[in-house]
Amino acid sequence: EAQVTQNPRYLITVTGKKLTVTCSQNMNHEYMSWYRQDPGLGLRQIYYSMNVEVTDKGDVPEGYKVSRKEKRNFPLILESPSPNQTSLYFCASQGRAGEEDTQYFGPGTRLTVL
Amino acid sequence: RKEVEQDPGPFNVPEGATVAFNCTYSNSASQSFFWYRQDCRKEPKLLMSVYSSGNEDGRFTAQLNRASQYISLLIRDSKLSDSATYLCVVNLDSNYQLIWGAGTKLIIKP
Repeated sequence: EAQVTQNPRYLITVTGKKLTVTCSQNMNHEYMSWYRQDPGLGLRQIYYSMNVEVTDKGDVPEGYKVSRKEKRNFPLILESPSPNQTSLYFCASQGRAGEEDTQYFGPGTRLTVL
Repeated sequence: RKEVEQDPGPFNVPEGATVAFNCTYSNSASQSFFWYRQDCRKEPKLLMSVYSSGNEDGRFTAQLNRASQYISLLIRDSKLSDSATYLCVVNLDSNYQLIWGAGTKLIIKP
């Protein structure tokens, strides 16, 4: 079954404690992306990756890091989380740029930073 | 002005009615357009693409008006299961960059 998985699904942590949210896809997609979703603001892109070892900033990259060492995995790293990073996070992947290939989303990670 | 704007709703609609909502975009160079559906606390899923000639899929019809820079979604014979938030998405160019609206919440009442 084609899918994007994220872990953990729910996380409550404290300010400053480093955390990683994993994302994995089994569709051999080149493109992967991280979004955060906040009430009234829609999905905002944090980082994206066009392929292995190729990453770039999205609209709201501050406070986040990513890596793409393998095609299937695209972890999101918060080195020093702060309360303003409390949000719902989605990982997504897509097969080919410029074509009407839909973005597949993971189930989401609800993060609370106290 | 937001790049993609939607009326947040909620739209409260009786079952069986027809409902329509629009989404406006600011960048005239936008190339492709989509409607996604998102159920509460779940991931967005593609509902339909929006073509220049319009697009119909069962009870759902999507239209594009480039001159006025908006897209629309029409739902006929609405079902309780249509209750969700509908996200408008605009692709600015030929790469992956998608701009998301904040969504319109639709509630279908029995």
